[in-house]
Amino acid sequence: AAGVIQSPRHLIKEKRETATLKCYPIPRHDTVYWYQQGPGQDPQFLISFYEKMQSDKGSIPDRFSAQQFSDYHSELNMSSLELGDSALYFCASSLGPRGAKNIQYFGAGTRLSVL
Amino acid sequence: GQQLNQSPQSMFIQEGEDVSMNCTSSSIFNTWLWYKQDPGEGPVLLIALYKAGELTSNGRLTAQFGITRKDSFLNISASIPSDVGIYFCAGQPRSDSNYQLIWGAGTKLIIKP
Repeated sequence: AAGVIQSPRHLIKEKRETATLKCYPIPRHDTVYWYQQGPGQDPQFLISFYEKMQSDKGSIPDRFSAQQFSDYHSELNMSSLELGDSALYFCASSLGPRGAKNIQYFGAGTRLSVL
Repeated sequence: GQQLNQSPQSMFIQEGEDVSMNCTSSSIFNTWLWYKQDPGEGPVLLIALYKAGELTSNGRLTAQFGITRKDSFLNISASIPSDVGIYFCAGQPRSDSNYQLIWGAGTKLIIKP
């Protein structure tokens, strides 16, 4: 079965550069979520979108923005990168943002290294 | 932010042993999920629980949704080397306005040679 696709898998950037991460949800899934995971930490929720509208906002820095497009894929844009932004970034998708069965399925992640 | 209390933090076991880990919360949850994460990979869903008291199995894995809706446990029977990884519990609080998953800190499973 098709899974959540994230690209790129690895990304190396310099401080103050920008980065764009892409997420392609499971077909028919209309909700995407972005998480940041530092070493040894649990995933920290950044932001989510349902039907192309922001549905929830977590600890996303002002330097980051995201959107969901008409084909339901999503992009996370990160500007003025800092060393502390180095982490694994995961995208998850679900069928709907609410209800007892909106299980989130995760992509393999993008490892961002800021030098 | 809000976090589930997941224990133990890590476990060192012999191959073939049974494993048990749990998560507790001070608030009520509608859904409990158990994920496994391998290094450098995304969390993979193992078991989803929707009703208080529900007991669900997935092969050698068994998980239960606590009757109080504030806890859940995951058991792994007869562990094998590929069970190594970090296991996360995650839950959806009982709230009309918040659909974010709340995560436990993870249980790192290590199999002793």
